[in-house]
Amino acid sequence: EPEVTQTPSHQVTQMGQEVILRCVPISNHLYFYWYRQILGQKVEFLVSFYNNEISEKSEIFDDQFSVERPDGSNFTLKIRSTKLEDSAMYFCASSEDRPGDGEKLFFGSGTQLSVL
Amino acid sequence: RKEVEQDPGPFNVPEGATVAFNCTYSNSASQSFFWYRQDCRKEPKLLMSVYSSGNEDGRFTAQLNRASQYISLLIRDSKLSDSATYLCVVESGGSYIPTFGRGTSLIVHP
Repeated sequence: EPEVTQTPSHQVTQMGQEVILRCVPISNHLYFYWYRQILGQKVEFLVSFYNNEISEKSEIFDDQFSVERPDGSNFTLKIRSTKLEDSAMYFCASSEDRPGDGEKLFFGSGTQLSVL
Repeated sequence: RKEVEQDPGPFNVPEGATVAFNCTYSNSASQSFFWYRQDCRKEPKLLMSVYSSGNEDGRFTAQLNRASQYISLLIRDSKLSDSATYLCVVESGGSYIPTFGRGTSLIVHP
């Protein structure tokens, strides 16, 4: 069964450093998402991406965050200058079509980011 | 008011029990509804979509009540393997971005 893959599974970084989280969405999917989950809290939407541009973003997705689809398969989330409060599990997801009308999301297994 | 609200639980039930969870949503224009399951420190996985007429998948039954703006999940004959957090997901607003509730924790014990 096709799946969304994320690397690395764990990332430890120092505060102020840049990190790049990588994702390979399911190959025929057109919509890509990043969500995050702080330990013990709910899954929060960060950004959605379609046709090589951001389609929606939340208040969390400020100027320190960026996304990119550098080639035909990878989808990356960059955090420019990490803060302690960026520590969370970051989930990539993809869907075949746009949200709405019952379109389902498929999630990767996540990258646990720890900022020290 | 939060967009999607769930009782966090935990619901602690014996094997074989029937358990039900509710989820309320604030946006009356919400379009699509889902239940996802999340095991500890794992990714959310789709359990089932929720249709207006209600739908069943084996031991799981989902219902939608648009008038009262809630969805429900009923699990019959609970198994130990059903222990997980159940996430209510609602697609609403102009962009229909899936919005997650905080989840309801279920613990099934022998």
